[in-house]
Amino acid sequence: KAGVTQTPRYLIKTRGQQVTLSCSPISGHRSVSWYQQTPGQGLQFLFEYFSETQRNKGNFPGRFSGRQFSNSRSEMNVSTLELGDSALYLCASSLAGRQYDEQFFGPGTRLTVL
Amino acid sequence: SQKIEQNSEALNIQEGKTATLTCNYTNYSPAYLQWYRQDPGRGPVFLLLIRENEKEKRKERLKVTFDTTLKQSLFHITASQPADSATYLCALDGEYGNKLVFGAGTILRVKS
Repeated sequence: KAGVTQTPRYLIKTRGQQVTLSCSPISGHRSVSWYQQTPGQGLQFLFEYFSETQRNKGNFPGRFSGRQFSNSRSEMNVSTLELGDSALYLCASSLAGRQYDEQFFGPGTRLTVL
Repeated sequence: SQKIEQNSEALNIQEGKTATLTCNYTNYSPAYLQWYRQDPGRGPVFLLLIRENEKEKRKERLKVTFDTTLKQSLFHITASQPADSATYLCALDGEYGNKLVFGAGTILRVKS
């Protein structure tokens, strides 16, 4: 069974631009969560989607948004990029996003904002 | 808000010894606690999940304990190998909704 895939793997943008990251979950998984990982803050939850609906949201500004498609694939968008948005963005999929479901992480997208 | 603390310093041990990593949490009583392994440049990989009513769980050379009174989980790797060198993250189910809250992680280095 193929794992979680994320595209692109690396991205360089400049301040003020916007970016869209993509995540394809494991087949059959309906929940997709997004996390931001930085050396200073560690892994922080951005949001979770289940059946095309945002079910949970972390403490990030409205510049961070996402969506999920009917095939469970998900995208996240960051508008008006800031230097502090440079991070590894990870998506994770699970069967149903229950608290006891194992989460399968993708390799991440490394975003650098110049 | 909930807070999770893991050993901030790297743990260096000799091959064959048992590595013990600590995860302490405050301001919350999670129903589940999970441990993940992360290698440089890669996403975390799930290792074990333990429920609040379980004291201990084992999987091959791994053992996790969960003390809800102390608000602490211990993660043990017995007969450690250099291949076990990685960052280990503990995570608990969020206070609000279905999301994981991660600790900062502990770097484990196993020397041969």
